[in-house]
Amino acid sequence: QVQLVQSGAEVKKPGASVKVSCKASGITLTGYYLHWVRQAPGQGLEWMGWMYFNTGDTNSAQTLQGRVTLTRDTSINTAYMELTRLTPDDTAVYYCAKSPMIRGINAWFDPWGQGTLVTVSS
Amino acid sequence: DIQMTQSPSFLSASVGERVTITCRASLNIKNNLSWYQQRPGKAPKLLMYGASSLQSGVPSRFSGSGSGTDFTLTISGLQPEDFATYYCQQTYNVPPITFGGGTKVEI
Repeated sequence: QVQLVQSGAEVKKPGASVKVSCKASGITLTGYYLHWVRQAPGQGLEWMGWMYFNTGDTNSAQTLQGRVTLTRDTSINTAYMELTRLTPDDTAVYYCAKSPMIRGINAWFDPWGQGTLVTVSS
Repeated sequence: DIQMTQSPSFLSASVGERVTITCRASLNIKNNLSWYQQRPGKAPKLLMYGASSLQSGVPSRFSGSGSGTDFTLTISGLQPEDFATYYCQQTYNVPPITFGGGTKVEI
């Protein structure tokens, strides 16, 4: 069974950084894209960025203004998302999701991680 | 960026009803559209891709159609487990990948 298992909930103060992990089991992430999507409380889904697991090449949403860094550790089949200069508006559930492509009809996201709640509060 | 607009935002329905959700893209995205279901407190789950292809394991009461800018997701015979929020997603003109605002299907 293919699963993405994310790290646990985090509480951070404004201005701090957070790093969320996403570990794959049942499949190697090599050859796939790993996306990060966030969802603020009661809101919709916002794509944050992708990483091609083979090379580590990344692309992130311009709305995040360079605050997001996507990395991976191929030896443990795990991807990471770090978000810096946190504000209360970054309070959200953060999801990772796997896709075989980044564009086209086969760029669907499946599976998704279980989500990681990041709360930013002073 | 391509904007995805879903309607309605909320939909009240009963078990057994047929419901239709619409998603409109701000530009032609051909058939590069996926649909997801999200139950409360859970991660989204892929239902459809390529606008009309059913993901493996998804019940056949779900169907999708459309191409270009206008798309629909239909649930024929709503079941209790179908009460959830549904999102469309375009993967044609990326980055960014964009989602619709969601349609909440309530009892």
